Amino acid sequence: GQQVMQIPQYQHVQEGEDFTTYCNSSTTLSNIQWYKQRPGGHPVFLIQLVKSGEVKKQKRLTFQFGEAKKNSSLHITATQTTDVGTYFCAGPIDYKLSFGAGTTVTVRA
Amino acid sequence: NAGVTQTPKFRILKIGQSMTLQCTQDMNHNYMYWYRQDPGMGLKLIYYSVGAGITDKGEVPNGYNVSRSTTEDFPLRLELAAPSQTSVYFCASREGILVMNTEAFFGQGTRLTVV
Repeated sequence: GQQVMQIPQYQHVQEGEDFTTYCNSSTTLSNIQWYKQRPGGHPVFLIQLVKSGEVKKQKRLTFQFGEAKKNSSLHITATQTTDVGTYFCAGPIDYKLSFGAGTTVTVRA
Repeated sequence: NAGVTQTPKFRILKIGQSMTLQCTQDMNHNYMYWYRQDPGMGLKLIYYSVGAGITDKGEVPNGYNVSRSTTEDFPLRLELAAPSQTSVYFCASREGILVMNTEAFFGQGTRLTVV
């Protein structure tokens, strides 16, 4: 079964608002990766977190890796229409890259 | 560099037909993956390979087969297509061996409909 869980499945956001999506693994991960998939597109790598407690920022996106390396979060501030899409977290488990179910973000202008 | 190339982009199959989805990468990556994505759903791993000659099952391998005769190519074979195999199929690759924690590169996807 799926070993990387992600919530919420859907996020409807008013333009300009903030939101957070969460990722939890059943096992300790060596690293966590985040991907974005635009509607009709393919997943594209955003960032990788490796260290316990690591925080990385990409403009309005803030990524965090939990202290126990079993959970992660993506926080987007001042959401824009360009943020529309599905955000996936992924963790390497054995040789596999296991993806969460994704959070699909829609933005109300 | 082309990255990961999948063909075809679209295909309609009749129930019981067979086909091969092609995937090739020019980045000399060791790890390759096949995922399927059903509408509004996440990515489910079908098969993966850690190098030429080595393949293994993922979460949902039934009804599919793969081979990895070269580093570059990782075709996915559908035998006896069923409506449940209607999905978008993504091939992905990443370095894997020399650098353990590396990003995955995805192909554009193949949209398959079985009728």
